[in-house]
Amino acid sequence: EAGVAQSPRYKIIEKRQSVAFWCNPISGHATLYWYQQILGQGPKLLIQFQNNGVVDDSQLPKDRFSAERLKGVDSTLKIQPAKLEDSAVYLCASSNDRFPPDTQYFGPGTRLTVL
Amino acid sequence: AQSVTQLDSHVSVSEGTPVLLRCNYSSSYSPSLFWYVQHPNKGLQLLLKYTSAATLVKGINGFEAEFKKSETSFHLTKPSAHMSDAAEYFCVVTWGGYSTLTFGKGTMLLVSP
Repeated sequence: EAGVAQSPRYKIIEKRQSVAFWCNPISGHATLYWYQQILGQGPKLLIQFQNNGVVDDSQLPKDRFSAERLKGVDSTLKIQPAKLEDSAVYLCASSNDRFPPDTQYFGPGTRLTVL
Repeated sequence: AQSVTQLDSHVSVSEGTPVLLRCNYSSSYSPSLFWYVQHPNKGLQLLLKYTSAATLVKGINGFEAEFKKSETSFHLTKPSAHMSDAAEYFCVVTWGGYSTLTFGKGTMLLVSP
């Protein structure tokens, strides 16, 4: 079974530029998550999708971050414009069902450096 | 609000000695608890999970954890460390439904020969 795919693996940009990350979940997984992991901290949920609907985006900085999952499969996370504090690893995860709390499978992440 | 505390940011052991990584959670309701491991430049991998079944949970690679409600703890143990166990370990809590996963800050396990 193929795992969660993410691209790119690494990205370096200057502040105020924009950047986009792509995630393809495990086939058949209805729930998709984007996390931000700052160095030295645990991952923090940015947004959760159930199929193509948003379940939770309470911690997404909506003035600069956006995410979509138009066909209920793959997803894109965008930052525009980027700030220095956005330097982090962005993790995508997917799970089969939300009830009961199902195992989340994580991709390798995208390491973003903002200069 | 739910929270999880990993009591040690770093743990150092020698190969072949026991491993103990400590985790405490705050609880208003019955939680589900997970341990994940993250090797350098790799994705997070599930070690084990507790979801209100047996309180002693066995995971992959010889790890296990015991849910102790009276102590609000979910410590991770392994009888004998291996060099390949060197990684960062995260304790994670959720209360199910549409509540989100809350990650601890992580414990870096260092294994010396």
